[in-house]
Order: sequence, then C-alpha cells, then structure tokens
Amino acid sequence: QQQVKQSPQSLIVQKGGIPIINCAYENTAFDYFPWYQQFPGKGPALLIAIRPDVSEKKEGRFTISFNKSAKQFSLHIMDSQPGDSATYFCAASIGGNQFYFGTGTSLTVIP
Amino acid sequence: KAGVTQTPRYLIKTRGQQVTLSCSPISGHRSVSWYQQTPGQGLQFLFEYFSETQRNKGNFPGRFSGRQFSNSRSEMNVSTLELGDSALYLCASSLSPPNTGYTFGSGTRLTVV
Repeated sequence: QQQVKQSPQSLIVQKGGIPIINCAYENTAFDYFPWYQQFPGKGPALLIAIRPDVSEKKEGRFTISFNKSAKQFSLHIMDSQPGDSATYFCAASIGGNQFYFGTGTSLTVIP
Repeated sequence: KAGVTQTPRYLIKTRGQQVTLSCSPISGHRSVSWYQQTPGQGLQFLFEYFSETQRNKGNFPGRFSGRQFSNSRSEMNVSTLELGDSALYLCASSLSPPNTGYTFGSGTRLTVV
C-alpha cells in the first residue's frame, strides 16, 4: 500500500515553463514533507521540505504548496531549465523517522 | 567533506547466494538508513541504525538484515537472494534522529540472475 501517491509519472515541459508535481497522503500523523531530486547514477538529494503548519515554502526557483485539509502537497519549479531534468520524489515522515516516498516523476525540460 | 560512500557500486549475484553491502556515512553522522529503490515501487525503507542499534525497520522479510559498527559504518546483508531483490540499494546518513537532513549515497546496483 503506497502511503504517498505521486503524479504524474512523467512530465515534459519547455524551458521556462512551470512543471508541477503533485503528491497526496492519508496518514494525518505525517509532520515532515521533503522533496528529493535524483539524477541518473546518483542518490536522491534533498531539494526542499515543508511542515504542515506552513502553506507554502520557497527556495530559489522551487516552491512547495501544502494543503493540509486536502492532504496534498505539490512542487512547482519556476523558470525551469534543461539542468532541472531529473526524477523528483516526494516523501513524508513522522518525526523524521521512517520516510515514505512517492514513486517518482521523471521530468524532462526541453531547451 | 566526503559524502556518503557505498561499496561496491555494482554487484551481480546468483539466486540463492547472499550479499553484503557497505555504507560509510558522512563523518560525524551517526544515523544510517537503508532504502531499496526499484522502478515500480520507488524507494522503500529497509531499516535505520543509530549508535549501533536498529531504531526502525520496514516491511521486508528477515532475509534482509543490517548492522552498524562503532564508527557508524553500516552493512546490510541479504541472504538467499531472489530475482526480485534486484534493485538499487541506497544508504542515507544524518547527524542523528530526527533524520530531516538525509544525505544519500549513490547506491549499490544489485542484479540477481
């Protein structure tokens, strides 16, 4: 049973576009929601994270939107660049212990 | 500052064999977690060690085991390998729980034939 559901599975956007990746969860005990970026041959790298008491967080061109009542959160990448082409994973955890990951979104940014 | 080091990077084993994977965390990091990554399932939590003690364990069979040494290095072992164990095994380290600052290694690609 997938604790965190992620969509879409793949995404293609033009350079400068704003790809949006969505995640949904059921367990209301989750209190930490990170996003990871993974390039081929590398492990995932922490991109940005949010806690449920905040509705939005921005770090550079990356923004997390969090909707606690809908149990959904999403990643927006502003002014996307070809170098952003990677696989993105959302995750959720309780107290920073065991993390539950989404199944990943493969993003391709076309020059 | 060296990152998380996993060895070996690639491994091919035969069904029924056993395998040991190694992880050296970032210096000073005392928490080590292991994940299995497959195309269909994404990343799935195996277990976490802190100060040589297993703190958390995921839903994997007993064939998957691990340990942590006093220098925080960790190993995971898979016995009686099955074809379905073919995956990328990732190790992540952090200073200490809560693990909000995971740093992942590049993983060990295990292929079972």
